[in-house]
Amino acid sequence: DAGITQSPRYKITETGRQVTLMCHQTWSHSYMFWYRQDLGHGLRLIYYSAAADITDKGEVPDGYVVSRSKTENFPLTLESATRSQTSVYFCASSETNNEQFFGPGTRLTVL
Amino acid sequence: QKEVEQNSGPLSVPEGAIASLNCTYSDRGSQSFFWYRQYSGKSPELIMFIYSNGDKEDGRFTAQLNKASQYVSLLIRDSQPSDSATYLCAAKRPSGTYKYIFGTGTRLKVLA
Repeated sequence: DAGITQSPRYKITETGRQVTLMCHQTWSHSYMFWYRQDLGHGLRLIYYSAAADITDKGEVPDGYVVSRSKTENFPLTLESATRSQTSVYFCASSETNNEQFFGPGTRLTVL
Repeated sequence: QKEVEQNSGPLSVPEGAIASLNCTYSDRGSQSFFWYRQYSGKSPELIMFIYSNGDKEDGRFTAQLNKASQYVSLLIRDSQPSDSATYLCAAKRPSGTYKYIFGTGTRLKVLA
């Protein structure tokens, strides 16, 4: 199916475990983004990528790692999950400066 | 002070009325502004964007930008119960970067 997908949609993990959230888009958009959304903070940018092999930090990058070896994929890894990383994570993609298309989100709970 | 501020609401308006959603931003270098709608449990979807002072209309929606006052607003005419959602305002940093700063959103309730 065309569009932007995220997996898993729901994930429960324990403190200290490594977790990878997947994001895949079929539009061949150059730009991809990872956000987290928390009550009281809104959407905050974690990392973004302007093209394959080009990534840069956003507002809240600590504790996260990204890679982008292929244009269509932009995985987000929590190297050692903490309770403060419990959140809803959204991936987005964009070809222009104006519109971002968001994936359905991943709800992550860290126990 | 948050870079993009919105009143969390809820803003309640009767069906058929005009809903006015407001947003202020602190970075004068911000050049483009976006309004997203987010239904509960869903992902944000773009309603419209604006980058020039003045008004921009798209159907029932009008975005207004006043860079001197660092103020962006979204007007929804003939509000419908289906417009009930959280509306997110976002500012894009100056050209050359892709850093978007989102407000925390205003919850709109349109009463039938």
